[in-house]
Amino acid sequence: DVQLLESGGGLVQPGGSLRLSCAASGFTFTDYFMTWVRQAPGKGLESVSTISKSGGSTYYADSVKGRFTISKDNSKNTMYLQMNSLRADDTAVYYCAKHFLVGTLYDAFDIWGQGTMVTVSS
Amino acid sequence: DIQMTQSPSTLSASVGDRVTITCRANQSISSWLAWYQQKPGKAPNLLIYKASSLESGVPSRFSGSGSGTEFTLTVSSLQPDDFATYYCHQYNSYPLTFGGGTKVEIK
Repeated sequence: DVQLLESGGGLVQPGGSLRLSCAASGFTFTDYFMTWVRQAPGKGLESVSTISKSGGSTYYADSVKGRFTISKDNSKNTMYLQMNSLRADDTAVYYCAKHFLVGTLYDAFDIWGQGTMVTVSS
Repeated sequence: DIQMTQSPSTLSASVGDRVTITCRANQSISSWLAWYQQKPGKAPNLLIYKASSLESGVPSRFSGSGSGTEFTLTVSSLQPDDFATYYCHQYNSYPLTFGGGTKVEIK
């Protein structure tokens, strides 16, 4: 079964840090680009960051550039999102998502994790 | 960034109705558009990719059309399981962006 499982969310104070993980199974992790998508409470979807299949190329939304770092460990089939200098407007459910086609950056997302909640509040 | 605008933001319909949701891009995205369904507390689920291709396992009552800047998602006969929020998503260029969503409610 193809599956993504996020972890690492929680409550953090403004200015704090958090690292999210996304464990993948059921597919060849090294073949696919992966993306983090977030959804603020009651709001729509926002693509936050994308990483290439090798991990050598990374892409960020302007809203998180310089504060968030995406990475992956292909030996562990796991993707990460290191979030620093967190702000209240980073509060959201964070989903990891697999790109549909092998080796494709510009793509739909065919598999999503269940999401992990990040709350930034004092 | 490419802006995606969905309409309507809310739609009230009955079981059996034909429902159409529109998504417009502020510049051409060719056919690089996907549609997702999201239910409360759940992750989005891919319905349509490349504007009109039905994802495996998705009922045939869902269909997509359009190219360039204007796209539609149609549900031919709304079923009880279809009451949800629907999002369009352009993947023509980075950042990959989504429409604001259309909530389909029971009339």
